Amino acid sequence: DAKTTQPPSMDCAEGRAANLPCNHSTISGNEYVYWYRQIHSQGPQYIIHGLKNNETNEMASLIITEDRKSSTLILPHATLRDTAVYYCIVISYGGSQGNLIFGKGTKLSVKP
Amino acid sequence: DGGITQSPKYLFRKEGQNVTLSCEQNLNHDAMYWYRQDPGQGLRLIYYSQIVNDFQKGDIAEGYSVSREKKESFPLTVTSAQKNPTAFYLCASSTQGSGNTIYFGEGSWLTVV
Repeated sequence: DAKTTQPPSMDCAEGRAANLPCNHSTISGNEYVYWYRQIHSQGPQYIIHGLKNNETNEMASLIITEDRKSSTLILPHATLRDTAVYYCIVISYGGSQGNLIFGKGTKLSVKP
Repeated sequence: DGGITQSPKYLFRKEGQNVTLSCEQNLNHDAMYWYRQDPGQGLRLIYYSQIVNDFQKGDIAEGYSVSREKKESFPLTVTSAQKNPTAFYLCASSTQGSGNTIYFGEGSWLTVV
C-alpha cells in the first residue's frame, strides 16, 4: 500500500470548516483513500473513503484531486468533539491484508 | 448493536506472565486483525486472519500468538517472550471485497509491572 503525508497539526475555530489535506502521490489505480480519526485512548473511527469521485456522508466530505495524488477531508462545521488525530491511508481494492500504514496523522484541535 | 468488543479495557501484568486479550465481533466479517499502538505512534500489525482456522504474521508477531477457532473471535496472547509488551492493543475486522473498510474495537491497554 502507498504511503501518505499529512501535516502534523492543525487548528480550527468551532463552527468553521476544517480542511485536512493529505498527499498520496504514489497511489495506484486500484487503491482507495480512507480517512479515520482517533480520539485519545479509543480505537480509530472510520469516517469516509473514496476512489476517484468526491464523496459525502453525514460526517464529512472527501475531495480527491483529478490525478488522485492528494485529497482533502472537510468537516463542514467543526465542533469541540471533532478534536482528534485524523489519519489518511490508502487501501488496495479487495486485497488488504490489514497492513495499514497509518503514520502519525494530523492532530486537529478545535478551539472555542 | 453490531460491533467489535475488546476486553479487558485495562490490564496489568507481571513480568514473565502470559496474558490473553479478547476480541469478539458480530459484524459477520471474515477478516480480523490485531494492531499495536505505542504513544504518539501509528498502528503496527501483529497478526491477521482472513478465514477461520487460518492466520498470518504481521510486522511484529514475535512474542505474540493468536487463534481463530470461530469467525466471531480472534483472541491475542501476549507471551512472556514479548520484550516490551506495554502498549495499546487494537482489534479490527473487515469484509473481504471492494473497499475493505476496516472497523476497530475500542482497544485494550496493557501495562507490565
